[in-house]
Amino acid sequence: DGGITQSPKYLFRKEGQNVTLSCEQNLNHDAMYWYRQDPGQGLRLIYYSQIVNDFQKGDIAEGYSVSREKKESFPLTVTSAQKNPTAFYLCASSTSAYSNQPQHFGDGTRLSIL
Amino acid sequence: GNSVTQMEGPVTLSEEAFLTINCTYTATGYPSLFWYVQYPGEGLQLLLKATKADDKGSNKGFEATYRKETTSFHLEKGSVQVSDSAVYFCALSAYNTDKLIFGTGTRLQVFP
Repeated sequence: DGGITQSPKYLFRKEGQNVTLSCEQNLNHDAMYWYRQDPGQGLRLIYYSQIVNDFQKGDIAEGYSVSREKKESFPLTVTSAQKNPTAFYLCASSTSAYSNQPQHFGDGTRLSIL
Repeated sequence: GNSVTQMEGPVTLSEEAFLTINCTYTATGYPSLFWYVQYPGEGLQLLLKATKADDKGSNKGFEATYRKETTSFHLEKGSVQVSDSAVYFCALSAYNTDKLIFGTGTRLQVFP
């Protein structure tokens, strides 16, 4: 079945450590997105990519980095500069960024601080 | 700018009650509108969508009608079940933009 796979489901970060969240899709979608969700809150856009080798900052990009070397993969690194990284992270994809088509979501990664 | 406003939650209902979750939007042009559902500990799932005025999206007993005159896309269900307990997000995709705009979400709690 086509879909989006996020891993790991749970992740723990030590102080001063960078961690990378994986997002893979086999939907052949051009556009991919990363969101952060805090408890009881809505979604905030971190980064998005409309095409391979290109990405743009969202509303809360500080302390995060991404790469888009392959169409199917869009990993997110939470750097040590992100002082409050504890949250639920969601990856999504869509056929193309300007298509007015819905986004498809993975099951999320929950990141906590040790 | 483009925005989505949802009613505050939680919405608490007894099983088989009628559900309405209000959603209004501001957007230029003719956006596409979506409802997503998020069950505890999971990602968002597309529930239904509408792409032009007067379209009605429907799925799993849920319905929403794209009302351009009132800029609304209210979610309704005639008889809710305990299994419908989740957070519901209204979202829009405006013409010629590259992002979805989400509302803040409305938590629905259904009790037997």
